[in-house]
Amino acid sequence: NAGVTQTPKFQVLKTGQSMTLQCAQDMNHNSMYWYRQDPGMGLRLIYYSASEGTTDKGEVPNGYNVSRLNKREFSLRLESAAPSQTSVYFCASSSGTRLGIQYFGAGTRLSVL
Amino acid sequence: GENVEQHPSTLSVQEGDSAVIKCTYSDSASNYFPWYKQELGKRPQLIIDIRSNVGEKKDQRIAVTLNKTAKHFSLHITETQPEDSAVYFCAATISNTGNQFYFGTGTSLTVIP
Repeated sequence: NAGVTQTPKFQVLKTGQSMTLQCAQDMNHNSMYWYRQDPGMGLRLIYYSASEGTTDKGEVPNGYNVSRLNKREFSLRLESAAPSQTSVYFCASSSGTRLGIQYFGAGTRLSVL
Repeated sequence: GENVEQHPSTLSVQEGDSAVIKCTYSDSASNYFPWYKQELGKRPQLIIDIRSNVGEKKDQRIAVTLNKTAKHFSLHITETQPEDSAVYFCAATISNTGNQFYFGTGTSLTVIP
């Protein structure tokens, strides 16, 4: 049982390049989330998808786009990477029901030069 | 929206002593309060959670208490061990709606052998 799987684990980009972070869960969860984590800043929500077919902005959405491809997959796209987007990115999922437990992927460490 | 505040930001204790981390929340509709432990370079992992219909929950050396009236909840770790050293995050959400999880900014706990 893989849980929440993120790819890639590490990525180095040049300013202005684009890339997509992939996330997939195999727990049949309704809700999926993208967070970024910077030193001393905790976990900040970028976008989330409460259910398949819906997406909503979180606290720090600027510079990002998301796609809920199907129930399993939720991708995060950086169209034109900036050094300020250097961070560790975590994908998470939860059932979206009363049970509500949120599970995290292993993270993607992104550096933008 | 919800606002979760967490204190202290850093905490050092001697091995065997107890550690207490406190969080407050603002939205009285929040009904699910998980705690996550994040070891260096790893993903956040759920260690204990509590729902609004319960005042206290215990799991071996860790316990969580909830005061709905005052809108605060606390994590208690007894008989601390070096392997308890990590960053701990509290969170609040309204479960069963696919809503956002609102995280505190984290507490870095160091257990000194």
